Amino acid sequence: ILNVEQSPQSLHVQEGDSTNFTCSFPSSNFYALHWYRWETAKSPEALFVMTLNGDEKKKGRISATLNTKEGYSYLYIKGSQPEDSATYLCASAGGTSYGKLTFGQGTILTVHP
Amino acid sequence: DSGVTQTPKHLITATGQRVTLRCSPRSGDLSVYWYQQSLDQGLQFLIQYYNGEERAKGNILERFSAQQFPDLHSELNLSSLELGDSALYFCASSVEQGMGEQYFGPGTRLTVT
Repeated sequence: ILNVEQSPQSLHVQEGDSTNFTCSFPSSNFYALHWYRWETAKSPEALFVMTLNGDEKKKGRISATLNTKEGYSYLYIKGSQPEDSATYLCASAGGTSYGKLTFGQGTILTVHP
Repeated sequence: DSGVTQTPKHLITATGQRVTLRCSPRSGDLSVYWYQQSLDQGLQFLIQYYNGEERAKGNILERFSAQQFPDLHSELNLSSLELGDSALYFCASSVEQGMGEQYFGPGTRLTVT
């Protein structure tokens, strides 16, 4: 995998459903995997930064896992709420610089009441 | 509110012109990053500065340049503007050189007519 890829592109769920998204990234020269939440008309907000294989992070109903050997990360949302509706972006830091993030195209989540 | 400020919020200018976008990082953050969000593309990394020095460069056009000043604010200069430069330009900051969370400003919407 040369680029950061996210799936699905968009997702519609009902309030209370649990959901998950996938981020695939190049596993060579890997430094860190970032997840951001981006609400319409706002700016991206950091959710997690993970660096080690097997890392798991949790913030409220949102959690993420990281597999650096195979180059993927999952983001889980438990009991989705309408306020969770946003675009979820992942970004890989790798190559020659820690700070150079390569972003995926995002997963657009819509939670219906 | 992330603590990162960007000015102006909106900018409308003509092709061939030159503009300067300004960013003030969160208090205590030494790294500043610039990103471009075009209509048909995801967030694209442009350049990173750490404590006044360039640290990483993305696919930044030669017509674009940036710098970080001693007070740590940063400016992105865009010259010989083309219609395709119309985009949302984000600045982000972080404490470290790149491994930690990045905090995004509200963005500057540039429209080139």
